[in-house]
Amino acid sequence: QVHLVQSGAEVKKPGASVKVSCTASGYTFTRYDINWVRQATGQGLEWMGWMNPDSGNTGYAQKFQGRVTMTRDTSINTAYMELSSLKSGDTAVYYCMRGVEGASGGNYYYYMDVWGKGTTVTVSS
Amino acid sequence: SYEVTQPPSVSVSPGQTASITCSGDKLGDKYTSWYQQKPGQSPVVVIYRNTKRPSGIPERFSGSNSGNTATLTITGTQAMDEADYYCQAWDSGTGAVFGGGTKLTVL
Repeated sequence: QVHLVQSGAEVKKPGASVKVSCTASGYTFTRYDINWVRQATGQGLEWMGWMNPDSGNTGYAQKFQGRVTMTRDTSINTAYMELSSLKSGDTAVYYCMRGVEGASGGNYYYYMDVWGKGTTVTVSS
Repeated sequence: SYEVTQPPSVSVSPGQTASITCSGDKLGDKYTSWYQQKPGQSPVVVIYRNTKRPSGIPERFSGSNSGNTATLTITGTQAMDEADYYCQAWDSGTGAVFGGGTKLTVL
């Protein structure tokens, strides 16, 4: 069975960085992208970016460019998302997800089929 | 950047049909997925590639996508379907795009 297990809750001060891990099991880690999304309390889903665990290639949402870094360690099937220069507005639950991509009928598709349980990051002085 | 829009809330009576829309410029040219999120839980994909249903998702969930609008339809809505629903598409310039979410109330 496919699982994504995330690291535990974090409390950080403004200006600090946080690094959240996401450990995959039940499938070949390098065959699927890992994406990250965050959700503030009572708010919607905000996509942060993707990483290809095989190549290490990444793509970040414009909002987070320069502040987010996605990496991986293929020896332990783990992806990481590091967010720097934290502010109170970064307080949220951060989810990792497996991305599934392909093409059909000439159109490209990309969706998230497996989600981690989320990591709560609280930024407070 | 590309954006998609959902109504904030939809209400439906038990046993009736609920329709949740997702609108975006030429959204019909993109594949759309739908996610269900219940309080305190991670989202779960209920529809992918416009119309496909993952194993374990009840047949009462269906999807369509044409023109500028994708629609998630729940036929014979049950109390357990009460949740937040998010649509998602992929744009080559923006990446993954999520709608703002629709709260489905079954009353």
